[in-house]
Amino acid sequence: LAKTTQPISMDSYEGQEVNITCSHNNIATNDYITWYQQFPSQGPRFIIQGYKTKVTNEVASLFIPADRKSSTLSLPRVSLSDTAVYYCLVGEDSSASKIIFGSGTRLSIRP
Amino acid sequence: EADIYQTPRYLVIGTGKKITLECSQTMGHDKMYWYQQDPGMELHLIHYSYGVNSTEKGDLSSESTVSRIRTEHFPLTLESARPSHTSQYLCASSPGASSYNEQFFGPGTRLTVL
Repeated sequence: LAKTTQPISMDSYEGQEVNITCSHNNIATNDYITWYQQFPSQGPRFIIQGYKTKVTNEVASLFIPADRKSSTLSLPRVSLSDTAVYYCLVGEDSSASKIIFGSGTRLSIRP
Repeated sequence: EADIYQTPRYLVIGTGKKITLECSQTMGHDKMYWYQQDPGMELHLIHYSYGVNSTEKGDLSSESTVSRIRTEHFPLTLESARPSHTSQYLCASSPGASSYNEQFFGPGTRLTVL
C-alpha cells in the first residue's frame, strides 16, 4: 500500500507558479499518481494523472522523476480561486479499498 | 460537467432515526464510492461498488450499509443515526475497467445527528 506524504499547507501569491511535491517511496510498479483539488463544502475534482515523466493539461503539469518515488504538481500563474486542498493519490486498479486521499496540502493564495 | 447527484444536500435528524442518503449518476459508470469527511479532515472510503449487486466495505469502518440494485443508483442507509454519524458524506463514480480513471464526485450530503 503506497502511502503518500505532502506538506500540510503552502502559501503563495497571485500570478506565481506553485509546486506541490508528494512523496510516495513505496509506489508499486502498476501504480498511477493522481491529483485532486477540493474546495470547501464540495467534493474533490480530478486535476491530473500520470505514470512517469511529465504530463500536462490545461490546468496543471505533473512531473514524475525516473524512480517515481515522488511527484510534483505544478500550477502555473495561480489565482485566488486556486485556494483549495490538493490531494496526491497513488494506486492501481486491483482494489478500490486502496484508494487513500490522505490529509492533502492546503494551498492559500494571497492577492 | 459530471452528472452525479446527491440528496438531500443537508439533513438534520434526531438520534435513532433511520436515514437513507441518495446518490445517482447518469454517466453509466460501473464503479461507485461513498466517502466520509469531517470538516477540514481527510476523506475516508467507507463503501464501494464495482457494479450491480457488488458492494464492499472501505478502509474506514462504518455502521452504514449500501446497496447497488441499479447501475445508476447507490444509496447509503443508516438504520439508527447517532451523533457520531455527523459528517459530510460524498458519493463518487468512475468509469469501469480501471481505477486509473478519474472519480467524479457529487456535491455531498452534510448530515447532523442531534
